[in-house]
Amino acid sequence: AQTVTQSQPEMSVQEAETVTLSCTYDTSESDYYLFWYKQPPSRQMILVIRQEAYKQQNATENRFSVNFQKAAKSFSLKISDSQLGDAAMYFCAYRSAFRGGGNKLTFGTGTQLKVEL
Amino acid sequence: DTGVSQNPRHKITKRGQNVTFRCDPISEHNRLYWYRQTLGQGPEFLTYFQNEAQLEKSRLLSDRFSAERPKGSFSTLEIQRTEQGDSAMYLCASSLGGASYNEQFFGPGTRLTVL
Repeated sequence: AQTVTQSQPEMSVQEAETVTLSCTYDTSESDYYLFWYKQPPSRQMILVIRQEAYKQQNATENRFSVNFQKAAKSFSLKISDSQLGDAAMYFCAYRSAFRGGGNKLTFGTGTQLKVEL
Repeated sequence: DTGVSQNPRHKITKRGQNVTFRCDPISEHNRLYWYRQTLGQGPEFLTYFQNEAQLEKSRLLSDRFSAERPKGSFSTLEIQRTEQGDSAMYLCASSLGGASYNEQFFGPGTRLTVL
């Protein structure tokens, strides 16, 4: 079974600064997807960014980028130019890419990000 | 609003009662998922439908839990004889099918409190 670990329960960042959230995972599969989801206080989960394991290039979405290290099974999220609206719980998630692997997402325990003025 | 909707948003019940939650997915999505999220934890997968067929169930889904998706549209999740340990946020998500990856869109959740 796959597991996802987020070792930082809380992180703080000053507005306009950069912060990196950590995630490690464990799997025996070679093909999979990794995601970062944001859950604001209203509780609706929003996809921030995704990475396909077969792609070596790190994904980027505007101010959000990832550092994907497949051999180390590490998948960190970097938020640049942090804004007050970035304050939320961030979840790292894994999904198998194999047809028989199911479609479920496996989530970490989350990192609460606080953005300070 | 064309997103995933869930009703009710909050439910308070007494231990031993039955509760039913509803999820309306995005209209063209044929895949529907249920997750459970307890305080301080990430969501945990419960079950998954493709159209009306329930294709996968987690071991978390005890025999007190049943989910249906008649006609492949909305879905219901019923919990019988609720226990205090069932208190959680129940999240629904939907996605398109076909390709190996399609984004799961989440609803706002139903928060269940069992007294």
